Amino acid sequence: NAGVTQTPKFRILKIGQSMTLQCAQDMNHNYMYWYRQDPGMGLKLIYYSVGAGITDKGEVPNGYNVSRSTTEDFPLRLELAAPSQTSVYFCASSGVRLGASTDTQYFGPGTRLTVL
Amino acid sequence: DQQVKQNSPSLSVQEGRISILNCDYTNSMFDYFLWYKKYPAEGPTFLISISSIKDKNEDGRFTVFLNKSAKHLSLHIVPSQPGDSAVYFCAASVPGNTPLVFGKGTRLSVIA
Repeated sequence: NAGVTQTPKFRILKIGQSMTLQCAQDMNHNYMYWYRQDPGMGLKLIYYSVGAGITDKGEVPNGYNVSRSTTEDFPLRLELAAPSQTSVYFCASSGVRLGASTDTQYFGPGTRLTVL
Repeated sequence: DQQVKQNSPSLSVQEGRISILNCDYTNSMFDYFLWYKKYPAEGPTFLISISSIKDKNEDGRFTVFLNKSAKHLSLHIVPSQPGDSAVYFCAASVPGNTPLVFGKGTRLSVIA
């Protein structure tokens, strides 16, 4: 049971390049999330999904896209990388309804992205 | 507007003493609160939680206290150990279909 896995661990992009951050979970969780954490800041929600085929915007969705074709995978796409997207990206999943009393999220190890 | 606030960016405590991390919130609809711990180069991990119907929850060295009237919760770590040195995030949720709201975190340093 690997939990939540993310690839790559590190990446350097040039301005305007695109890339996909991969996230997978093997806990059969319905709910998956993408966060970014900037230095000295908390976790800001980018997108989330309540199940395969269903996604919704979080607090900071601009510049990103997501898809959820399977329960296990929730990739995050950056189409035109900008320096403002330099951050650490965390994927998470949870197995219970959003906002429920046992809403414990499990996080991946993160992807450190630098856009130059 | 920050709904979950951790006003202390950092805290230093001697090993063996008590660490108290604080969190304030503004949304009275929050009904569940969680603390996460994060080591460098790792993702956050769940530590302890509390429902709004309780005012205290204890798990080993970790205790979370909730004061609903003050919209304040705190995490107590007793005794503090060097391995507790990490960033601690407070998070909250409302009933229904919305994700957790996180604070900015407090960096705890436990000095041996």
